[in-house]
Amino acid sequence: EAQVTQNPRYLITVTGKKLTVTCSQNMNHEYMSWYRQDPGLGLRQIYYSMNVEVTDKGDVPEGYKVSRKEKRNFPLILESPSPNQTSLYFCASSERARNINYGYTFGSGTRLTVV
Amino acid sequence: AQTVTQSQPEMSVQEAETVTLSCTYDTSESNYYLFWYKQPPSRQMILVIRQEAYKQQNATENRFSVNFQKAAKSFSLKISDSQLGDTAMYFCAFVYGGSQGNLIFGKGTKLSVKP
Repeated sequence: EAQVTQNPRYLITVTGKKLTVTCSQNMNHEYMSWYRQDPGLGLRQIYYSMNVEVTDKGDVPEGYKVSRKEKRNFPLILESPSPNQTSLYFCASSERARNINYGYTFGSGTRLTVV
Repeated sequence: AQTVTQSQPEMSVQEAETVTLSCTYDTSESNYYLFWYKQPPSRQMILVIRQEAYKQQNATENRFSVNFQKAAKSFSLKISDSQLGDTAMYFCAFVYGGSQGNLIFGKGTKLSVKP
């Protein structure tokens, strides 16, 4: 089954403790992206990747890092999480940036709480 | 800057009736695509319908249809014969052809279908 897999689904952590949210897709998609969803704000892009070793900032990149060493994986790293990073996170992929007209395939989301 | 506005934070409809969700967008681009995504309580993001800006014909998918008014930059979603399973958050989204694939989302409309 074609899908984007995110882990974990839920995560509670403490301020300052480094964490990684994993994302993997099995569709050979070139384009991958991370979004955060907050009430009243919709979804906002954090980082995106056009292909292996090609990443760039989205609209709200502060406090996050990403890497794209393999085509299928695009982990989101929070080096020192803070409470304002409490949010619902989505990983998404598309065949390539030029094919975004077909929309994204989304993962099932990660609910992160930083206390 | 491209923006997407959903002016109805919450709506409700009786089962079997018709409801229309509003969306307006702002862009100076001519080549772009519009989407409606559904997010049920499971929080999965599900593509409902998409529209290419160069197509005058409004897109339809079973009970879901859009009213695309390009000059007015309006992209409303009509749900006919509403079902309890349509209860969800609905997001309008936009991407333009020359972008880096950043899908821009509105803030969402929470739709409740009442029995």
